[in-house]
Amino acid sequence: DAKTTQPPSMDCAEGRAANLPCNHSTISGNEYVYWYRQIHSQGPQYIIHGLKNNETNEMASLIITEDRKSSTLILPHATLRDTAVYYCIVRVARDSGYSTLTFGKGTMLLVSP
Amino acid sequence: GAGVSQSPRYKVAKRGQDVALRCDPISGHVSLFWYQQALGQGPEFLTYFQNEAQLDKSGLPSDRFFAERPEGSVSTLKIQRTQQEDSAVYLCASSLVWDIKTQYFGPGTRLLVL
Repeated sequence: DAKTTQPPSMDCAEGRAANLPCNHSTISGNEYVYWYRQIHSQGPQYIIHGLKNNETNEMASLIITEDRKSSTLILPHATLRDTAVYYCIVRVARDSGYSTLTFGKGTMLLVSP
Repeated sequence: GAGVSQSPRYKVAKRGQDVALRCDPISGHVSLFWYQQALGQGPEFLTYFQNEAQLDKSGLPSDRFFAERPEGSVSTLKIQRTQQEDSAVYLCASSLVWDIKTQYFGPGTRLLVL
């Protein structure tokens, strides 16, 4: 699996957009970018994933550069409850068989009032 | 609805003691995963079950670690002769199908070996 690089920590003011970057310069053509987050004392939670097109759901937006070597997770209006560690994961989505997640250290996002 | 549950939530063991950690996946979920998360690190894969079959145990750190899922639902991770380096949070996740976006995690069991 491709390695990812994320900043160790970021700060964001409540109500503002949080933009979390991820570099994955060795990504292969069939590898997806997944984002999970882990709130303190909880298990990781799926946020969003994408291959090459930008994606949006009720939680966040994912912007993937045209060369697919980096991506940005956007939380449009961060709240205090978005304070968590955010993991960017590059993973092959298999048609058969299973997939496991290879987590890095992630980005600790602190949303402050 | 009911999510993945794990018990106990916290476990303190003396070095050399055996421990058993339980995972109750979401009903009907075929896939079950165990991860180990050391302090300040991201979770690391330990083992994978498809129903009752253990298809991948490549992440188990030593032969002191053993996992089972005899009836394809509840799973138990057993650690024999615990060592201090086994101290971590043990996470269980389950999934209905192969797509990992449907992989749901439990709250974890925090193991402290003294």
